[in-house]
Amino acid sequence: DAGVTQSPTHLIKTRGQQVTLRCSPKSGHDTVSWYQQALGQGPQFIFQYYEEEERQRGNFPDRFSGHQFPNYSSELNVNALLLGDSALYLCASSQNRDRVFSNQPQHFGDGTRLSIL
Amino acid sequence: AQKVTQAQTEISVVEKEDVTLDCVYETRDTTYYLFWYKQPPSGELVFLIRRNSFDEQNEISGRYSWNFQKSTSSFNFTITASQVVDSAVYFCALSSTGRRALTFGSGTRLQVQP
Repeated sequence: DAGVTQSPTHLIKTRGQQVTLRCSPKSGHDTVSWYQQALGQGPQFIFQYYEEEERQRGNFPDRFSGHQFPNYSSELNVNALLLGDSALYLCASSQNRDRVFSNQPQHFGDGTRLSIL
Repeated sequence: AQKVTQAQTEISVVEKEDVTLDCVYETRDTTYYLFWYKQPPSGELVFLIRRNSFDEQNEISGRYSWNFQKSTSSFNFTITASQVVDSAVYFCALSSTGRRALTFGSGTRLQVQP
């Protein structure tokens, strides 16, 4: 039973570039959330996708966008990269029965470590 | 607004010692959920436990136990007879009905020395 898989593992970009990170949820999960974790801090919620729509968004600028595909996999896109975007980006998936989203444990992938030069 | 505070930034113990990680939360919601996650050096957040606001029973799972006290808004985590493999960063997190996001604390780094 495959868990949450993310690609790539590491990525190095320069300021101003754009990046796309990918996530495949755990088998049987239909909801994907993205988090940003700066060094030494707890993860910060970026947004969550369910039924191919963004359902909730954290305090992140429009440079951060996403997409969910019919097979539940998801992408996180970041435009106009800044030095401050350097972080570990974590994808989490969950299964949301009866549309009750908040009580299901989220299962996390290993993350993509993004470094901006 | 929701908030999770983990006041202990780093704890160092010797193997076989018991250790308690503190978590204090703030929320105005009456129905909410508390979680603990473990983050080893590999980076993956490993789910340990979920507790809802209506269930104040303490829980024990092997060497792990959790103490939930609504009166003090705390959800503390105790590891009994710690082992080197317990070394990791531990995060407490909070969500509530209608709020899809997990709100994490800043984490507690536990180092277990042999």
